[in-house]
Amino acid sequence: IAGITQAPTSQILAAGRRMTLRCTQDMRHNAMYWYRQDLGLGLRLIHYSNTAGTTGKGEVPDGYSVSRANTDDFPLTLASAVPSQTSVYFCASSGFTGELFFGEGSRLTVL
Amino acid sequence: DQQVKQNSPSLSVQEGRISILNCDYTNSMFDYFLWYKKYPAEGPTFLISISSIKDKNEDGRFTVFLNKSAKHLSLHIVPSQPGDSAVYFCAASAGNYGQNFVFGPGTRLSVLP
Repeated sequence: IAGITQAPTSQILAAGRRMTLRCTQDMRHNAMYWYRQDLGLGLRLIHYSNTAGTTGKGEVPDGYSVSRANTDDFPLTLASAVPSQTSVYFCASSGFTGELFFGEGSRLTVL
Repeated sequence: DQQVKQNSPSLSVQEGRISILNCDYTNSMFDYFLWYKKYPAEGPTFLISISSIKDKNEDGRFTVFLNKSAKHLSLHIVPSQPGDSAVYFCAASAGNYGQNFVFGPGTRLSVLP
């Protein structure tokens, strides 16, 4: 069982470019989340989706968009990347227990 | 202002001794708390949780204590093992809803052989 799969594992891109981080889960969880991890700040929620077809804003949503066309996929898009979006991004999902299951992360560097 | 604080960025403990990781929160509405462990280049993994109706929860070598009046929780690891070396995140939520979880900044635990 793969759980949560994220791609790419790491990426360097120029400021102003568009970037989509992919996330797929095989646990049939209803809820999915995107977090960013920055030193000294822990994990901060960017966007979430409680079920396919719905999305919501987290603590730090500006500059990011998400979509949830089906249960398994939850891509995160940076329309025009800026250096402050350099971070490690974690996708997660949760089922009825509420426990969050995380992917292995995508390290993004914006120059 | 951070609602969940882990004031020790790092902690070093000898193998076999007790590790105590602390977490403080400010929001009195928080009623569900979790600890996650993270190894380098991996995603966080769930370790243990506690709801506000309890003051202690044990799972093997890991015990979480909750002091609601002090808005403080702690994770005890006994005995500590080198494989426990990781970053530990405390998280709190009002209700067990994933989008409500607020994470602390983490404490890096090093267990020395």
